[in-house]
Amino acid sequence: LAKTTQPISMDSYEGQEVNITCSHNNIATNDYITWYQQFPSQGPRFIIQGYKTKVTNEVASLFIPADRKSSTLSLPRVSLSDTAVYYCLVVLPGSSASKIIFGSGTRLSIRP
Amino acid sequence: GAVVSQHPSRVICKSGTSVKIECRSLDFQATTMFWYRQFPKQSLMLMATSNEGSKATYEQGVEKDKFLINHASLTLSTLTVTSAHPEDSSFYICSARDKKREGYNEQFFGPGTRLTVL
Repeated sequence: LAKTTQPISMDSYEGQEVNITCSHNNIATNDYITWYQQFPSQGPRFIIQGYKTKVTNEVASLFIPADRKSSTLSLPRVSLSDTAVYYCLVVLPGSSASKIIFGSGTRLSIRP
Repeated sequence: GAVVSQHPSRVICKSGTSVKIECRSLDFQATTMFWYRQFPKQSLMLMATSNEGSKATYEQGVEKDKFLINHASLTLSTLTVTSAHPEDSSFYICSARDKKREGYNEQFFGPGTRLTVL
């Protein structure tokens, strides 16, 4: 069963740019890549979604290479409040169109 | 927009009792809702996909007779944990897909329900 792979944890400091990379070798042609943020005891919150190249919104950028087998979430100038778990999601090939599976996520810790 | 609520936010019950958790899409209609379970320091595990007006689709290893799902309207899905035991203690999270944006693979998540079974 294909799945996404992310680093288990990352540490950074306030004001730095943080890049979290996710591998998804078996991504299907029509799949979108979505990143979520989750704080303890809360539901995940949508950050950004993309299909290819680069997508930017008010909180993050998403870089997707041409082969789409990986993606990188970029958080500019992080603050302490960005400490959370970040999940990369794709719809798995062979599954129903509506089902998505969460990977292990990356636990990001921001220090002063 | 795209707000999903869950009720209750926390519930404590005795072993053997049943607990119902509600998931509502407040400002959109959802033909599809999802139920996840999350244990401490672990990722979300998809339990089942709930489709309005039809039976839910359960993931492998999830007992459909223990976790009863009802999606009776376009804005409400319920998860009932029957005969709950301490090992069912977990954080239960629902999500909903906007009927008007089915093709975008977006899911809007609820705030979660913390279930503790004594």
